[in-house]
Amino acid sequence: AQSVAQPEDQVNVAEGNPLTVKCTYSVSGNPYLFWYVQYPNRGLQFLLKYITGDNLVKGSYGFEAEFNKSQTSFHLKKPSALVSDSALYFCAVCFQKLVFGTGTRLLVSP
Amino acid sequence: GAGVSQSPSNKVTEKGKDVELRCDPISGHTALYWYRQRLGQGLEFLIYFQGNSAPDKSGLPSDRFSAERTGESVSTLTIQRTQQEDSAVYLCASSLALLYQETQYFGPGTRLLVL
Repeated sequence: AQSVAQPEDQVNVAEGNPLTVKCTYSVSGNPYLFWYVQYPNRGLQFLLKYITGDNLVKGSYGFEAEFNKSQTSFHLKKPSALVSDSALYFCAVCFQKLVFGTGTRLLVSP
Repeated sequence: GAGVSQSPSNKVTEKGKDVELRCDPISGHTALYWYRQRLGQGLEFLIYFQGNSAPDKSGLPSDRFSAERTGESVSTLTIQRTQQEDSAVYLCASSLALLYQETQYFGPGTRLLVL
C-alpha cells in the first residue's frame, strides 16, 4: 500500500532561518510525491512534485524538496522562512488518488 | 484562468436532511476527485472520476454518499440523511488526466456542518 508519514505535528522556526518539514514514504514502484500547503479556511495549494529526474525539486514560493531514495524521504525545505509561510503542509503520494500524510503545522515567528 | 470552484462555500443543515455539494473543475480536466477533511485531520479520499465514470467507489464512507459527474465537467456529491459525523470540509480537485504524475488542483472546499 502507498503511504506517507509526516513525523512532526508542528515545526517552529524563526523568520529568516532555514526550515525543513519532514516526509517519508512507502510505495511499491516509482514514487510520485507531492507537497501541498493549506492556509486557514482555504483549499490546498500545490507547491511542488517529484516524478523523476533531478532529486532536488524546486517549487512555488521559494520552496524546494529533496528526494532521497535510500532514505525514502521527501523533505520540504526553504533557505529562509517568512512569517507568511505559516500554514499547514501536506506531503502526498499519488497512486490514482492522492494519499496524504497527516500534515505538519509550520509556525514561523517574527 | 479559472481554478476549481465549489459551491456552496458553507452549508449548515439539520441531521437527517440531504445535501448536495457542487464542484466545477478546471476546463479541460478529465479527472476529478473528492476528498473529505475532518477538523484537525488529514485528507480522506472519497471518489474519483475519469470522464463521467467512477470506477472505484470504495472510498465513499457509506451508502448515504453518492457522486455523479456529467458532461465531463460539473460533479455533485450528495449526502443523504446527514449525520453529525459528516461535518467536515469537502474538497474537490481536478487534473488534466488520470495519471499518477499529474498535479491535482484543489478548490476552496465546502464546509459542511450538520447540527
